[in-house]
Amino acid sequence: DAGITQSPRYKITETGRQVTLMCHQTWSHSYMFWYRQDLGHGLRLIYYSAAADITDKGEVPDGYVVSRSKTENFPLTLESATRSQTSVYFCASSLYNEQFFGPGTRLTVL
Amino acid sequence: AQSVTQPDIHITVSEGASLELRCNYSYGATPYLFWYVQSPGQGLQLLLKYFSGDTLVQGIKGFEAEFKRSQSSFNLRKPSVHWSDAAEYFCAVGAIGTGFQKLVFGTGTRLLVSP
Repeated sequence: DAGITQSPRYKITETGRQVTLMCHQTWSHSYMFWYRQDLGHGLRLIYYSAAADITDKGEVPDGYVVSRSKTENFPLTLESATRSQTSVYFCASSLYNEQFFGPGTRLTVL
Repeated sequence: AQSVTQPDIHITVSEGASLELRCNYSYGATPYLFWYVQSPGQGLQLLLKYFSGDTLVQGIKGFEAEFKRSQSSFNLRKPSVHWSDAAEYFCAVGAIGTGFQKLVFGTGTRLLVSP
């Protein structure tokens, strides 16, 4: 089906482990984004990408790494997970300034 | 830098009553403004957007919003709320640079609908 998908939908990990959250879109949108959603903070931008091989930091990039070798994929890696990274993570892609969101990944770091 | 303020964390409205959710933005020029809705356990869905032109914007699900430059506001309204409208609502402004592709979100307003 066309759209934007995220995997896994739920993940529990331990402090210090590396975790990768996957994001895939079928529209070939140029822009893609990663947000985290926390109570009282709304959505905060972690990283974004304007095209394949072009990425840039958002508001809260520390502790995260992204890559974008193909237009349709935009994985987010937590290199050494911390409890403060427990959150709901949303991926989005953009066409003509309208962002389309994936269903989210709920990550718990113990 | 742009910012968005949603002053109401929670709002409770009776089913059938009218609704207004407040949004104030900070940006010197004409902003790109958006309202998104998030149902429980879901991603965000665009309700409506304003780029230019008519300051009263119609969206999906019977929602509308009015851009008021003098008040730096973009309030969301609905004349008659349905129980299915219970959700969290986010106002956002397009950030300068990247052709306004980046968005800055408010902290959201949770709408509760009472019978």
